[in-house]
Amino acid sequence: DAEITQSPRHKITETGRQVTLACHQTWNHNNMFWYRQDLGHGLRLIHYSYGVQDTNKGEVSDGYSVSRSNTEDLPLTLESAASSQTSVYFCASSGADTQYFGPGTRLTVL
Amino acid sequence: AQRVTQPEKLLSVFKGAPVELKCNYSYSGSPELFWYVQYSRQRLQLLLRHISRESIKGFTADLNKGETSFHLKKPFAQEEDSAMYYCALIQRATNKLIFGTGTLLAVQP
Repeated sequence: DAEITQSPRHKITETGRQVTLACHQTWNHNNMFWYRQDLGHGLRLIHYSYGVQDTNKGEVSDGYSVSRSNTEDLPLTLESAASSQTSVYFCASSGADTQYFGPGTRLTVL
Repeated sequence: AQRVTQPEKLLSVFKGAPVELKCNYSYSGSPELFWYVQYSRQRLQLLLRHISRESIKGFTADLNKGETSFHLKKPFAQEEDSAMYYCALIQRATNKLIFGTGTLLAVQP
């Protein structure tokens, strides 16, 4: 069955370190998205991609970057982790209908 | 501005009571709306979409364009319905979802 996976599921890091969160989907979807989930804010879009070599900024993109070298993967990089980036991160992909979400990565920045 | 509003952060009901989770939207154009559910520490799952006019797990939602609402309803709540519920609107031109802030439904025994 097609699916979308994220790794790691939990990560603790220190302020200033670079962190990369992986997202892999086997739906063969062109569209992929990264969100962060915080209490009181719901889900906010960080970055998204419509296909290989395409990346776009979402509403909360500062301090994050993505790259899309193939259809299946959209890794999210925190260039220099900050405590404000402690959150749960969800990756999603979509075809023609709606978005399907990964299991999430819980990131703690100390 | 395109926006989804869920006015209640928490809705607590007793088992067997009716449930209504409110969702209002602001969108220029023909809206497509969804309800997602997130059980404790799990991924978001699509619950239902307005274009399907379906009932999933006893939940229904009707799009009311006059009131710009898409409230989620269930006549008799079950304890297993306890979860976070998100209303979302899709921008078809970009395939981006705009989420509300979510409502935590707690069904008491």
